[in-house]
Amino acid sequence: NAGVTQTPKFQVLKTGQSMTLQCAQDMNHEYMSWYRQDPGMGLRLIHYSVGAGITDQGEVPNGYNVSRSTTEDFPLRLLSAAPSQTSVYFCASSYWHASTDTQYFGPGTRLTVL
Amino acid sequence: AQKITQTQPGMFVQEKEAVTLDCTYDTSDPSYGLFWYKQPSSGEMIFLIYQGSYDQQNATEGRYSLNFQKARKSANLVISASQLGDSAMYFCAMSRPYGGATNKLIFGTGTLLAVQP
Repeated sequence: NAGVTQTPKFQVLKTGQSMTLQCAQDMNHEYMSWYRQDPGMGLRLIHYSVGAGITDQGEVPNGYNVSRSTTEDFPLRLLSAAPSQTSVYFCASSYWHASTDTQYFGPGTRLTVL
Repeated sequence: AQKITQTQPGMFVQEKEAVTLDCTYDTSDPSYGLFWYKQPSSGEMIFLIYQGSYDQQNATEGRYSLNFQKARKSANLVISASQLGDSAMYFCAMSRPYGGATNKLIFGTGTLLAVQP
């Protein structure tokens, strides 16, 4: 299993550009999430999904869109990039188990918006 | 609202010694899960240990143990016999394991651990 994969690893955008960060998992997990990590802070939840066709907002959703058409994929779209969106983005997936709900994280995408 | 507090921005420990990383949490939910993640300089998030709020015993995973004190709302990570490879940022996090969306983690700000030879 590849686990959780994210592309690209690095990206530089100009203010106002749009792009999609890709996330895929091959563990058949129902739950997937997007987090951002800013310097000196922990991860903050952007959007999440509890299954195909179902998404909801997290703590910091403004400026981002998501969709979940398949169990495997959960792309994050930046509609009009702003310097405040410069961050490291992590995708995660998880399943509910009787004793733990461990989340598995992708390697991250480092995004810089100029 | 749920909140995680890690009051130690950075810590030093000598190799082979034990170290405790502090974590306190605030929640009104009776059911929740507590996690510790390690983030080395390479940037990936590595799951270390999990404790459910109804678990009677403290969780252990190899050299990692979670000192869960429910009444004090603390979930400290204990690393025994520190190794140089333990140098990393450590994050405490909380989720709701029962009934709610289990993938909504709330993170603390992290503790940077440096293991000295």
